[in-house]
Amino acid sequence: EAAVTQSPRSKVAVTGGKVTLSCHQTNNHDYMYWYRQDTGHGLRLIHYSYVADSTEKGDIPDGYKASRPSQENFSLILELASLSQTAVYFCASSGRQISAETLYFGSGTRLTVL
Amino acid sequence: GDSVTQTEGLVTLTEGLPVMLNCTYQSTYSPFLFWYVQHLNEAPKLLLKSFTDNKRPEHQGFHATLHKSSSSFHLQKSSAQLSDSALYYCALSLAHAGAKLTFGGGTRLTVRP
Repeated sequence: EAAVTQSPRSKVAVTGGKVTLSCHQTNNHDYMYWYRQDTGHGLRLIHYSYVADSTEKGDIPDGYKASRPSQENFSLILELASLSQTAVYFCASSGRQISAETLYFGSGTRLTVL
Repeated sequence: GDSVTQTEGLVTLTEGLPVMLNCTYQSTYSPFLFWYVQHLNEAPKLLLKSFTDNKRPEHQGFHATLHKSSSSFHLQKSSAQLSDSALYYCALSLAHAGAKLTFGGGTRLTVRP
């Protein structure tokens, strides 16, 4: 089965600090995503990438940067963390551009900004 | 823009009763529809996805039918089990948007004995 691993599993950060969330996949998938989960808002797409060294903005990119240094790794960066960025963050991967492709999610990172 | 609406945030059922979770969508194009399920402290995973040939997808006793006329893809099961308690997400994707998914707000299903 497809494997997506995220680190750390949880993190507490201070307002204004820098936070980096990491994601690694061993599926040989082209597409990788970062989603944010909030109660009532569901899963919202922050950034995604379909090839190494290139990232695309999702639906809520403000306040976030992304980096895809290799096919396997995809990071989410909060340069200046804010209280409103407290949430659970999920990384996911999928194999192809075909729209019916399944997303495989990591276990999530619970971020608390104080 | 494209959107997915799940009208119920919380659904509580007694074991053995039928399940129906609502999902409607808005899209200029003909989308693919999905249901993802997330059990407590786990990652979301695919439960069902719509077919292009009007077949009804089924998995673990759940099924959903894509009705283009009403823009709906409701999730149904004839008899709820305790293990069905989870967070359910409806989602859509479009052919021209690659594999990018747009999710609804989610419905938390709790099944009681």
